Amino acid sequence: QKEVEQDPGPLSVPEGAIVSLNCTYSNSAFQYFMWYRQYSRKGPELLMYTYSSGNKEDGRFTAQVDKSSKYISLFIRDSQPSDSATYLCATGRQGAQKLVFGQGTRLTINP
Amino acid sequence: GAGVSQSPSNKVTEKGKDVELRCDPISGHTALYWYRQSLGQGLEFLIYFQGNSAPDKSGLPSDRFSAERTGGSVSTLTIQRTQQEDSAVYLCASSLAGTLLQETQYFGPGTRLLVL
Repeated sequence: QKEVEQDPGPLSVPEGAIVSLNCTYSNSAFQYFMWYRQYSRKGPELLMYTYSSGNKEDGRFTAQVDKSSKYISLFIRDSQPSDSATYLCATGRQGAQKLVFGQGTRLTINP
Repeated sequence: GAGVSQSPSNKVTEKGKDVELRCDPISGHTALYWYRQSLGQGLEFLIYFQGNSAPDKSGLPSDRFSAERTGGSVSTLTIQRTQQEDSAVYLCASSLAGTLLQETQYFGPGTRLLVL
């Protein structure tokens, strides 16, 4: 079993829709949770970072962590064609200087 | 300022040959990471450098893989006797100090390796 599970999609939605992307993880020691966005043939870039359970909002993006169920989510409101990319969740724990990534979900926003 | 750069951007090689992949981190970043991204797989951690030393090389898949970093800057990932299963995108990332996991890692564009 992978430490982080993420549905690879692909996911296709119309412009303006709310998008929900999700990951589950197995290691309760994981403390930090990130979402990266990766455009085609580019390296990933950090979108959001959270530490504790709860919500964190940044513009149209909301990251949500539920440590009790080991579930992390990214919501995109008013989705735009420019949001079309692969979204990767990542997590890790202090003392282990490496991130564990999910498989990535390929998202397409249709105009 | 300049981001993380990697070379070559694409590499095609024959099975059994050795390859060297290069990473130039952001100037001043002391931490450097190598990841591998295979088709249908997420990013797989390979090795982490703090300065020139590698405190964590637990992700290197076999002894055919090695990496070094010199001058606290450029890093080279070497794959000896390449196999077809080594075909993947190899990504390099750097961060300022590497002492906190939540520190942002900045990724390069990757090297796409195809082993025939």
